Amino acid sequence: DQQVKQNSPSLSVQEGRISILNCDYTNSMFDYFLWYKKYPAEGPTFLISISSIKDKNEDGRFTVFLNKSAKHLSLHIVPSQPGDSAVYFCAATADYKLSFGAGTTVTVRA
Amino acid sequence: KAGVTQTPRYLIKTRGQQVTLSCSPISGHRSVSWYQQTPGQGLQFLFEYFSETQRNKGNFPGRFSGRQFSNSRSEMNVSTLELGDSALYLCASSLAEGENTEAFFGQGTRLTVV
Repeated sequence: DQQVKQNSPSLSVQEGRISILNCDYTNSMFDYFLWYKKYPAEGPTFLISISSIKDKNEDGRFTVFLNKSAKHLSLHIVPSQPGDSAVYFCAATADYKLSFGAGTTVTVRA
Repeated sequence: KAGVTQTPRYLIKTRGQQVTLSCSPISGHRSVSWYQQTPGQGLQFLFEYFSETQRNKGNFPGRFSGRQFSNSRSEMNVSTLELGDSALYLCASSLAEGENTEAFFGQGTRLTVV
């Protein structure tokens, strides 16, 4: 069963605008959430994370928001740049296991 | 500091054969996890090893197995290969000593079963 869900398989955004990626989870035992970015033919690279005791974490252009009551998190990228075009995976961890969503392909248009 | 190294990068096998994939974690990392990535399925967790012990296992058949050596290097084995096993297999390492730390991924092994 998919415990981490990314319901939007793709997102197209204009350069300079905000990209918002969403992620929902079902397992209330998840205590740490991460976003990874993946280019073709490469392994995922870590972007940003958030502990379940926080509701926001910011790192440069990337901000992750966590709403525990709704079991929802989102990643905001502002401003979006062409190099941001990639697949973004939401992940959550419990019991030494990372569970990933299916990914959202982001395309940043010039 | 060298990253996570996976070998081989590409592999073609026929149905019924078995395959062994290798992963060398970042120096000092004792946790190694394996994932299968197929189109539309995201990354599916296979198993996680820490100090040569399997701590968690995903929902894969027994044909998928792994092990970790004393130097933290890990191998994953798939026996009696099926066409559906064609995928990108990713290995990730982390410190993961009871703390939440991010996992660092290798570039993966692209396995094609024909």
